[in-house]
Amino acid sequence: DAGITQSPRYKITETGRQVTLMCHQTWSHSYMFWYRQDLGHGLRLIYYSAAADITDKGEVPDGYVVSRSKTENFPLTLESATRSQTSVYFCASSELDTQYFGPGTRLTVL
Amino acid sequence: AQTVTQSQPEMSVQEAETVTLSCTYDTSESDYYLFWYKQPPSRQMILVIRQEAYKQQNATENRFSVNFQKAAKSFSLKISDSQLGDAAMYFCAYRRRYTGTASKLTFGTGTRLQVTL
Repeated sequence: DAGITQSPRYKITETGRQVTLMCHQTWSHSYMFWYRQDLGHGLRLIYYSAAADITDKGEVPDGYVVSRSKTENFPLTLESATRSQTSVYFCASSELDTQYFGPGTRLTVL
Repeated sequence: AQTVTQSQPEMSVQEAETVTLSCTYDTSESDYYLFWYKQPPSRQMILVIRQEAYKQQNATENRFSVNFQKAAKSFSLKISDSQLGDAAMYFCAYRRRYTGTASKLTFGTGTRLQVTL
């Protein structure tokens, strides 16, 4: 089915470990985004990408790395996970004015 | 910087009744989009309705409509004939019209809507 998918849906890891969250979209949208959702903050932008090989920082980029070698994929890597990165992570994509979201990944860092 | 404020952390409505969720925003831009997203317990973010700032007519999608007051920077969501399936967290969001850096959405902190029998 066409759409935007994220994997894994749930992840538990330990402090200091590297974690990669995957995002895949089948619409060939140019723009892709990573948000994190925390209580009391709504969704906050971590990184975004305007096209393959073009990425830029959002509101809360520290501790995260992204890449976009293919239009359809936009992985998010936590190079050394910290407890403060426990959150729900959403990937989104858009072509024009509306963003469409994946189902989210709940990440717990112990 | 743009900010979006949802001053009602929780709301409750009886089934079949009407409820209005409030949202205000702050921006110096004149051309932008406003959105309402619904997040049910499944966590999926679902687009409910979209308003383009240059359009004076309020957007409507079936039982969902907005009251867009540009001068007051207010963007409320009205849900008519509320259904149990409407129970969710609702987020108001803002985006500048132009692409590039401006593509990012700025979200409010959400309003949790409870629907009772």
